[in-house]
Amino acid sequence: GAVVSQHPSRVICKSGTSVKIECRSLDFQATTMFWYRQFPKQSLMLMATSNEGSKATYEQGVEKDKFLINHASLTLSTLTVTSAHPEDSSFYICSARVIQGGDGNTIYFGEGSWLTVV
Amino acid sequence: AQSVTQLGSHVSVSEGALVLLRCNYSSSVPPYLFWYVQYPNQGLQLLLKYTTGATLVKGINGFEAEFKKSETSFHLTKPSAHMSDAAEYFCAVSNPRGQGGSEKLVFGKGTKLTVNP
Repeated sequence: GAVVSQHPSRVICKSGTSVKIECRSLDFQATTMFWYRQFPKQSLMLMATSNEGSKATYEQGVEKDKFLINHASLTLSTLTVTSAHPEDSSFYICSARVIQGGDGNTIYFGEGSWLTVV
Repeated sequence: AQSVTQLGSHVSVSEGALVLLRCNYSSSVPPYLFWYVQYPNQGLQLLLKYTTGATLVKGINGFEAEFKKSETSFHLTKPSAHMSDAAEYFCAVSNPRGQGGSEKLVFGKGTKLTVNP
């Protein structure tokens, strides 16, 4: 299947600082990427839909100014957690929709990024 | 709005026994259905998917699922469990592009599978 890579896999930052997480589609182009947040032992919560070349679409209750999403190319989307607080500590997972070939209806996930805010 | 219900947050089976993880969905248009597996501290791996065509779908690691429209179900099965199957399993639904629904995945709450020796 298609490969989606996230970086970094783990990051620790101080409260009040910003941290950026990258999501790359390695062997396909993705006009749409999705960012999820997962709390321990819970399901995935969709935060926003990242659209290449346009603004992200945020889910209700997700702060746009806190979770900045940029989708500058067909293979890269970034999530920046601004002014991070300990409650932002979580597992963040991105996914990308395959748009080429016969697999155009499948979403592949990255490995996830653990964020710890101290 | 779409939704997914996974019956049983925890399922425990013996090694070699049948695995059955239940998933029911709600969708206003014909859905696309997915099963993903998540190992501890890792991302999600696609097990299998149903889009159109044959309702019995075979996936990786010996898993399969059957789309039953009349029952709005997409249960995941494996004839013989292995210790390595122990993980969290998520059922998800999305709408096809152009169907007027949301393209994003809606997940169930997950089922943790434990395999006992």
